[in-house]
Amino acid sequence: DTAVSQTPKYLVTQMGNDKSIKCEQNLGHDTMYWYKQDSKKFLKIMFSYNNKELIINETVPNRFSPKSPDKAHLNLHINSLELGDSAVYFCASSQAKGSYNSPLHFGNGTRLTVT
Amino acid sequence: QKEVEQDPGPLSVPEGAIVSLNCTYSNSAFQYFMWYRQYSRKGPELLMYTYSSGNKEDGRFTAQVDKSSKYISLFIRDSQPSDSATYLCAMSAGGAQKLVFGQGTRLTINP
Repeated sequence: DTAVSQTPKYLVTQMGNDKSIKCEQNLGHDTMYWYKQDSKKFLKIMFSYNNKELIINETVPNRFSPKSPDKAHLNLHINSLELGDSAVYFCASSQAKGSYNSPLHFGNGTRLTVT
Repeated sequence: QKEVEQDPGPLSVPEGAIVSLNCTYSNSAFQYFMWYRQYSRKGPELLMYTYSSGNKEDGRFTAQVDKSSKYISLFIRDSQPSDSATYLCAMSAGGAQKLVFGQGTRLTINP
């Protein structure tokens, strides 16, 4: 059973398009995240939701909009895609906010290529 | 200066060698330290975590934290080809919420 699953696995699109990435976790976790990993492997947090409430919103262009319909799902919608948005986007979840021994469980990533 | 510095490698060692991976950091508020392992085309998975200074051992893996030097290490004993992956250090001042990751070190263990 996949704990954190995200779709699609690969996404190739043209500049200016709008696309969505979906994420679901079946771990019963309260908190979900979106991370971006660039070509140099830097992994940076973008957003975090706890029980459908946005609790972390890092300096991310407002073309990126997360949506959490329930605590098991966190989707990422990206408007007007730019070349610099090309990266691997990881969804993650954890048991509770503020708990150091509640590790992040990552999905396998969505590789976005903008041409 | 980045908050967390990690040599990206690549690092290539023969099977059975002891591997030492390191990170330095600048934020003295960090007190939770983790190591994640990431295989190619996969998401990172938690390998080790420690709180504050000290050592922690789990099988062939040992994590060390030296807060006075702002330096953390991961040692892998009797390295195996299956250990070939990218290893990312991560740390936070409190909780899993705002983890700051290092760049990751790409490690290859040669049979």
